Amino acid sequence: KAGVTQTPRYLIKTRGQQVTLSCSPISGHRSVSWYQQTPGQGLQFLFEYFSETQRNKGNFPGRFSGRQFSNSRSEMNVSTLELGDSALYLCASSRTQGLGSSGANVLTFGAGSRLTVL
Amino acid sequence: DAKTTQPTSMDCAEGRAANLPCNHSTISGNEYVYWYRQIHSQGPQYIIHGLKNNETNEMASLIITEDRKSSTLILPHATLRDTAVYYCIVRVGSGGSNYKLTFGKGTLLTVNP
Repeated sequence: KAGVTQTPRYLIKTRGQQVTLSCSPISGHRSVSWYQQTPGQGLQFLFEYFSETQRNKGNFPGRFSGRQFSNSRSEMNVSTLELGDSALYLCASSRTQGLGSSGANVLTFGAGSRLTVL
Repeated sequence: DAKTTQPTSMDCAEGRAANLPCNHSTISGNEYVYWYRQIHSQGPQYIIHGLKNNETNEMASLIITEDRKSSTLILPHATLRDTAVYYCIVRVGSGGSNYKLTFGKGTLLTVNP
């Protein structure tokens, strides 16, 4: 089956611009979460969506936002880009939101979108 | 903040077992331990997870101590392709709206020929 697809894979923006990243989850997966990865901070949780609703949010400023569509595809947007927003943005999908019926939740990650802000 | 402690790096000879430790002394009774790995410039890949009992799948084995305060991921016959950063994670929060996974810095495992 197809994995998690993220587009674009690479992009370059300048300070002050905005960017939209897209994530298509595995078919049948209803939960999508987003992570930012930088060399200094590692992998940090941004937010999670389930059934078109944001269920969880990490400690990021309001410039970072997202949404989920009825087909479970998700987008995240970063406005007024700063140099520090340069990072690998990862999307992960899972069948359920939070804990599954077994008490566990396994995420499948996409390859990421690498954003460079100049 | 991450609730796990892992060594920054480890080396392993190709063909030998790689044993990656993780401390999670504050783990609560219903929190699972997950292991993921990330090969350079790719998204993290799920390896295995467990609650109390030892677990084994086609990729690895997970040994969890009886008090659940630490665990060890075992790659039985490491290959060069196993060179990656390995993350040990425990679920943070009580589920529902508080659920999220927090990744620490992980262990860079280098498999040498």
